[in-house]
Amino acid sequence: DGGITQSPKYLFRKEGQNVTLSCEQNLNHDAMYWYRQDPGQGLRLIYYSQIVNDFQKGDIAEGYSVSREKKESFPLTVTSAQKNPTAFYLCASRSGGYNEQFFGPGTRLTVL
Amino acid sequence: DAKTTQPNSMESNEEEPVHLPCNHSTISGTDYIHWYRQLPSQGPEYVIHGLTSNVNNRMASLAIAEDRKSSTLILHRATLRDAAVYYCILRGPYNQGGKLIFGQGTELSVKP
Repeated sequence: DGGITQSPKYLFRKEGQNVTLSCEQNLNHDAMYWYRQDPGQGLRLIYYSQIVNDFQKGDIAEGYSVSREKKESFPLTVTSAQKNPTAFYLCASRSGGYNEQFFGPGTRLTVL
Repeated sequence: DAKTTQPNSMESNEEEPVHLPCNHSTISGTDYIHWYRQLPSQGPEYVIHGLTSNVNNRMASLAIAEDRKSSTLILHRATLRDAAVYYCILRGPYNQGGKLIFGQGTELSVKP
């Protein structure tokens, strides 16, 4: 089955540690996105990539980093510089043009 | 970026039609109107999109005002599985990377 996988579903980390969230897609989509969602709020864009080896900052990129070495993969690193990292993180991909985005199931990150 | 305004919440009875409104008075001529919905603890899923004409698909219908300053998502027969947060989003030109800007959406509850 084609789709987007995110792992792990739940992640706990100690304050001051970096953590990397995985996002893999087998839809052959060119564009990929990372969003953050806080309780009761809409999604906010962190980073996006339209092509391999290229990515752009979204609205809330501070404290995050990404890489796009392969078309299928777009990992997100939450660094210790991110002041409030506890949130629900969602990855998405899109084939191109005005086509819709497909979302993964999300990773819920809790910083202890 | 053009903004959308939606009611915070709406209620519906099962098997009745639901009309979810969205205002977007500052929409530009090249903005597409997209609707996504998000079930609890899941990633959003695409519902429908349109530019000027009304659109129908297996999930819903989208009615767009003649001046394009408002639109309505229509669920023809609400089921309990339609209880979700519905987001109305304006999608700008392709050269903006296909970004989606989420507001807070409308939380739809469906009563049996």
